[in-house]
Amino acid sequence: ETAVFQTPNYHVTQVGNEVSFNCKQTLGHDTMYWYKQDSKKLLKIMFSYNNKQLIVNETVPRRFSPQSSDKAHLNLRIKSVEPEDSAVYLCASSLDWGQNTLYFGAGTRLSVL
Amino acid sequence: AQSVTQPDARVTVSEGASLQLRCKYSSSVTPYLFWYVQYPRQGLQLLLKYYSGDPVVQGVNGFEAEFSKSNSSFHLRKASVHWSDSAVYFCAVSRGWSGGSNYKLTFGKGTLLTVTP
Repeated sequence: ETAVFQTPNYHVTQVGNEVSFNCKQTLGHDTMYWYKQDSKKLLKIMFSYNNKQLIVNETVPRRFSPQSSDKAHLNLRIKSVEPEDSAVYLCASSLDWGQNTLYFGAGTRLSVL
Repeated sequence: AQSVTQPDARVTVSEGASLQLRCKYSSSVTPYLFWYVQYPRQGLQLLLKYYSGDPVVQGVNGFEAEFSKSNSSFHLRKASVHWSDSAVYFCAVSRGWSGGSNYKLTFGKGTLLTVTP
């Protein structure tokens, strides 16, 4: 049963445009994450928030910026997309910062033309 | 530092056959180990996890995995696969409990399992 909801499912855009992705979890978890999954299925952590506070910011280009209004929501904005940003962006949550069991959304597939 | 190696990018088995997906890990401390599955156009779902104790852990849908410290392995097994098991399977490792290392969940590259009729 889905408890991590991502919108949109797909997004096609052109180089240089700005895009935003939304994520909401209804599990009551404190910690949320953004992962990037490339065309070869490789997963890389981008950001992690614990109770609205940014706690992990991996080496990610500055055009990526996460935003969290409350602990149930975590959005991702890409200011000026590049072709290499084409990927599936997966949102996940965990009970708290010390928990290793992640619950994932279905992902947002971004295609940059 | 920690890492995960899934040596088989693709595995094909016949329906009803047994399955083993391999996972080797590297960790400087006692690891926490996981198997996740990703069905087409879906996010990842946890199959099972190992923290300590019995090295054979049971998961959902008849899957189990065996932890071997001597071999640094955490292979996934199933006695009889079904066509619906076709998916990408990810092995993952994180550091042992140290009060906040969850973000160091490192995933392998995944193994695409195809179950043929």
